[in-house]
Amino acid sequence: DGGITQSPKYLFRKEGQNVTLSCEQNLNHDAMYWYRQDPGQGLRLIYYSQIVNDFQKGDIAEGYSVSREKKESFPLTVTSAQKNPTAFYLCASSQPGHQNTGELFFGEGSRLTVL
Amino acid sequence: AQSVTQPDIHITVSEGASLELRCNYSYGATPYLFWYVQSPGQGLQLLLKYFSGDTLVQGIKGFEAEFKRSQSSFNLRKPSVHWSDAAEYFCAVGPYGGSQGNLIFGKGTKLSVKP
Repeated sequence: DGGITQSPKYLFRKEGQNVTLSCEQNLNHDAMYWYRQDPGQGLRLIYYSQIVNDFQKGDIAEGYSVSREKKESFPLTVTSAQKNPTAFYLCASSQPGHQNTGELFFGEGSRLTVL
Repeated sequence: AQSVTQPDIHITVSEGASLELRCNYSYGATPYLFWYVQSPGQGLQLLLKYFSGDTLVQGIKGFEAEFKRSQSSFNLRKPSVHWSDAAEYFCAVGPYGGSQGNLIFGKGTKLSVKP
């Protein structure tokens, strides 16, 4: 079955450490996204990538970095510069183009807790 | 500016009662509209979507939604709620190419179900 796989499901990190969240998709989608979710704040976009080797900042990119070296993969690094990293992180993908409807397909999420 | 408003942050209904979750949007063109559901600690699952045609759309798990252009609304309904419907529900509109990503999401409505 095609889908999006995020790992790890749960992650703990000490303050000052960088951590990388994995996102892999086998839907053959060109576009991939990272969202952050906090209680009562809905989904906020961190970074997105419309094509390999290219990505753009979303509304809350500070303290995060991404890469898009392969179509299937879009890892997110939460750096020590992110002031409040404890959150639930969601990866998504879509297939833009002339039939673009905006529909997103989501992974199961990764919960990061900073100790 | 494009936006989605879900006026109800939290709704509690009794099992077996009917449900209506409200969604209003602001969008400059003909919108594509979506409802997603999220169980605790999980990713978002697509419930239903409206692209064109019949303004009453059927989705999974017995949900339906009605697009009313004159009211800029896309309310979600279910005739009889089950305890397993307790979750958070997100309305979204797209496509959108700005820093908010491919879809604009509302902040969500949390549904609790009383026995």
